[in-house]
Amino acid sequence: DVKVTQSSRYLVKRTGEKVFLECVQDMDHENMFWYRQDPGLGLRLIYFSYDVKMKEKGDIPEGYSVSREKKERFSLILESASTNQTSMYLCASSQSRGKAFFGQGTRLTVV
Amino acid sequence: AQTVTQSQPEMSVQEAETVTLSCTYDTSENNYYLFWYKQPPSRQMILVIRQEAYKQQNATENRFSVNFQKAAKSFSLKISDSQLGDTAMYFCAFMKPRGGEYGNKLVFGAGTILRVKS
Repeated sequence: DVKVTQSSRYLVKRTGEKVFLECVQDMDHENMFWYRQDPGLGLRLIYFSYDVKMKEKGDIPEGYSVSREKKERFSLILESASTNQTSMYLCASSQSRGKAFFGQGTRLTVV
Repeated sequence: AQTVTQSQPEMSVQEAETVTLSCTYDTSENNYYLFWYKQPPSRQMILVIRQEAYKQQNATENRFSVNFQKAAKSFSLKISDSQLGDTAMYFCAFMKPRGGEYGNKLVFGAGTILRVKS
């Protein structure tokens, strides 16, 4: 069974902390994505990657960075967490023509 | 840039009836893919249906079908014989294949909450 695994389902961090959200896929997909989901705003793309070490900014990259050192792993980094980054974060992977597979989501609360 | 618009924040339908969710998108591309995803209360996103823009025939998956109007840039989802388990948030999404600006970028609309009533 195909799988996209996010490292945490729930996370609480303090303002100013550096936060790492990890995502691993086992399908050898070339594309990986990080979204945040907020009520009324849908899924907004933060960053995506179409190959190892390649990354592209999405629609809301400010305050975030990413890392893709291996094909199966795509990390989202909040360099200095702020309360407005409290949200649900979803990771996904896909082939270029295929459907996307999603992780179970990480609900991040920054206090 | 590609954008996806879902103009219906919420909809409701009686069990066994038919409902249509709307989606429009904006692109200058000729070749692309469109998707409908479902997110039930469990939060797990599930692909409902996929359409390739170069195919004129509308995609169908059991009770789910689409009305793809390429010239109008419209991609609506029809759910027939609605079931309680169809209650979820539905997202329309757009992907341009690799190459050029925004290649491989998967963009979503804001979503439509669908409630199926017994």
